[in-house]
Parts: sequence; C-alpha cells; structure tokens
Amino acid sequence: DAGITQSPRHKVTETGTPVTLRCHQTENHRYMYWYRQDPGHGLRLIHYSYGVKDTDKGEVSDGYSVSRSKTEDFLLTLESATSSQTSVYFCAISESTGTYEQYFGPGTRLTVT
Amino acid sequence: KNQVEQSPQSLIILEGKNCTLQCNYTVSPFSNLRWYKQDTGRGPVSLTIMTFSENTKSNGRYTATLDADTKQSSLHITASQLSDSASYICVVIPHNTDKLIFGTGTRLQVFP
Repeated sequence: DAGITQSPRHKVTETGTPVTLRCHQTENHRYMYWYRQDPGHGLRLIHYSYGVKDTDKGEVSDGYSVSRSKTEDFLLTLESATSSQTSVYFCAISESTGTYEQYFGPGTRLTVT
Repeated sequence: KNQVEQSPQSLIILEGKNCTLQCNYTVSPFSNLRWYKQDTGRGPVSLTIMTFSENTKSNGRYTATLDADTKQSSLHITASQLSDSASYICVVIPHNTDKLIFGTGTRLQVFP
C-alpha cells in the first residue's frame, strides 16, 4: 500500500460522538486525499490537501473536517458522527496532479450505530 | 453532470478464460482515464493510465483501450487467474482539474 497506513482499521461508534481517522504516509508526497466508498457509489472525495495546512473541500464534505499539520499526516474528523457516515474511508496520496498516480491506503471501516 | 458508468456490474468466469469490462463516460474534455483493481478489503491499485490521445495501454495480462469519439473504454483480461477476482474501477479525470470521477466498478469472480 505504497507507504500509507490508516488508523484505526475498524471502528464502531455511536451517533453523536466525535471520531478522528488518521492517515500517515512515508512517501513525502505533497497531495493527500480522503474518500469514502459506499455500495452503489464510486469513491467520493471528502477533502484533500495540497500541502501542510492547505486543504480544500471535495464533493461530500458536509459533516467532515480535516487537518494537516505535518507532511506525513492527514486527519479526518467527524465532529458528530451520524449513521449516514457509516462507510469505508480511504486515504490516498500523490506526488502531484494530472497524470500522477494516486496511491490508496488500506481503508478504515467505520460503523456508526 | 460528469458520469462514469461501468458494465456489467458483476461477472463470473472460469479460470483461464478471457473477459472484457466496459466503461462509458460523459466527462468531456478529459485529461486521462484510469483503471484500478480493488481486492476485497484493500484500497484500489492502479492498472493503467491513458491520456486522451492514447488508445491502448497494457500491463501484463491487462489491456485497456480507449475510444474518445464514442467515450468508451474497455479493460480486457487475458487468461484469467484466480487472483484476478476483484472489483475493477474505471476513473476519469476532467481536463484542468485533479478531481477523479470514479465508476461504481465491475465485480469479477474467477472460479477454478
């Protein structure tokens, strides 16, 4: 998985609780992304980062926030988890944009009860 | 709206057989089209990347083709192996953006 780890790999939480997912890379890539994957949908971009402290929203950013204080770490926070946020979350990294490859992490399966 | 549609949704073949997966897209213009393989419980892994000007790209037993006129791409798998069992995802990147548009994938199962 191209030097990308995600933690935790599995989490069950209750509605209304805050949750933070972590993505850690050892490749020193500039760009980092958070996606969610749900049945019947392609992967959808939540937020992305183009450098330390530089982040932007994706197509499904409502209810999520992100932070990137170091090149290697990109955090995704659900301030108050809802059942609609039950999903598999993937982090990805890339050296640049355009035809540059995006490498995906192993995913975090989040269940909100 | 930019869309990427894949067919079939699922496919079962016998080991050693060939198969072809289809991807139709409405994204235009686009900069490149990618095929990813996703094993169960894992993240997607890139198989091929084609720019809009390329019409074929191979990676071992995987060959992707692109027809920009009809907005179709296909992924052909030759001499399938049990390890080919996975989901295959078509991804299109619109021109002047780095946002990936993902198809919902084709689930391939290869049986002995």
